[in-house]
Amino acid sequence: DARVTQTPRHKVTEMGQEVTMRCQPILGHNTVFWYRQTMMQGLELLAYFRNRAPLDDSGMPKDRFSAEMPDATLATLKIQPSEPRDSAVYFCASGLVLWGRLDLSAETQYFGPGTRLLVL
Amino acid sequence: GNSVTQMEGPVTLSEEAFLTINCTYTATGYPSLFWYVQYPGEGLQLLLKATKADDKGSNKGFEATYRKETTSFHLEKGSVQVSDSAVYFCALSDQGAQKLVFGQGTRLTINP
Repeated sequence: DARVTQTPRHKVTEMGQEVTMRCQPILGHNTVFWYRQTMMQGLELLAYFRNRAPLDDSGMPKDRFSAEMPDATLATLKIQPSEPRDSAVYFCASGLVLWGRLDLSAETQYFGPGTRLLVL
Repeated sequence: GNSVTQMEGPVTLSEEAFLTINCTYTATGYPSLFWYVQYPGEGLQLLLKATKADDKGSNKGFEATYRKETTSFHLEKGSVQVSDSAVYFCALSDQGAQKLVFGQGTRLTINP
């Protein structure tokens, strides 16, 4: 049963520290999304990639957040320096967009279990 | 721009009650529509989807029909169970941006 995996599942850190979250998308998927979920803001899209290239990162605070895909099996989201307002659950999701179809939208997305981040 | 509006929560029902969670959307073109469910401590999971007008998506006793004339995709279940307690998200596919647009989520609690 193919799944998206995320590490770590929980992270507690102090303000100012660097945080790195990792995601392994489902093998063969060509699209990866990063979301942030908080009680106040709900589910927010931070950034997404197609074939490892960033398509849109407009949802991400550029001064402290960065997202990369070093290879097709790994996506990373870094926060440096972290702040208490970054406390949230961060989800990675992957999907498969099939070129040549009329509907090129990112169809079904498969979510990981999330990384619960607490910045003190 | 494209958007999804969901029924305000939280929703609390008794076991075996009938469930409706309203979802309406604004979109250009012909988006696919989705319902995702999030159980406590987990990520979102696809519950059902519909890809064109008048399609009905169904899964685990839940149903939703893609109504283009009313731009709606309401989620229904005839008899809910305690295990259905979760947060439900309505979403549409933004074809231009090639991503999903999610509603704010509706928390559902089913009491025995």
